[in-house]
Amino acid sequence: QSALTQPASVSGSPGQSITISCTGTSSDVGGYNYVSWYQQHPSKAPKLMIFDVTNRPSGVSNRFSGSKSGNTASLTVSGLQAEDEADYYCFSYTSSGTWVFGGGTKLTVL
Amino acid sequence: EVQLVESGGGLVQPGGSLRLSCAASGFTFGTYCMTWVRQAPGKGLEWVANIDEDGSRRYYVDSVKGRFTISRDNAKNSLSLQMHSLRAEDTAVYYCARRLGGSALMDVWGQGTTVTVSS
Repeated sequence: QSALTQPASVSGSPGQSITISCTGTSSDVGGYNYVSWYQQHPSKAPKLMIFDVTNRPSGVSNRFSGSKSGNTASLTVSGLQAEDEADYYCFSYTSSGTWVFGGGTKLTVL
Repeated sequence: EVQLVESGGGLVQPGGSLRLSCAASGFTFGTYCMTWVRQAPGKGLEWVANIDEDGSRRYYVDSVKGRFTISRDNAKNSLSLQMHSLRAEDTAVYYCARRLGGSALMDVWGQGTTVTVSS
C-alpha cells in the first residue's frame, strides 16, 4: 500500500497551464479507470475535481481535465487562476480492494 | 442539503480507544459506499477504511488492521470508526466521505474531526 508518486510542487503564472502527474503501478493506476483528483485548500476538506480518470463533476470548472497513460494519471489545469493555488491529491483503487492516495502536490500560482 | 458531519474526536492516551461517528443527511445513505480518510498534521491524505453499501465488505489500510473497525447503520444514516490501541501516529484529522460504488467518485466530505493521541 505505497502512496502514489506525485511531484511535491508545481507552479505557473496566471493564464498558463500546468500538469500534475500521479504514478502508480499496474496494480492500481494502470489496472483500473478508478482514479480521482482532489483539491484541498488550507484547513478545508478536500474537494473532488475529477473522477474515473477523465470525468468532471458538475460545478467544477472545465479548466480542470484528467487523463491516463499506462501507470500514470495526470491532472491538467489550464488558464491558471489565483484560486487554483492549493494542494492536489490523486486517488486510486488497488487490486487488493483497497484505495491509495498520492503524496500530494502543492500548486503555486506565481 | 447533502451533508456529512463527523463527531467523537478528542485527546486520548496511547493505547486508548475512541469511537468516531459520521451522521449523513440529504441523500439515500444506503446506496453509497462510505470511507474514512485521515490527515496527520502537515501531512497528506491517507485512505483508512472503506465499507460497501450494505456493510458486507470492509477494507483497511495495513497500519490500522486489527485495531480499527468500520461499521454502518443504514437505518440511522450513520457511519462509525471504532479505534483501539491508538498510537501517536494515529493523530490526525479524520474525514468521512461518501463514494459511489463502482467508481472513484468520492464527492461529499465531512468537515473532519480531530484525534490527538498523546500522554
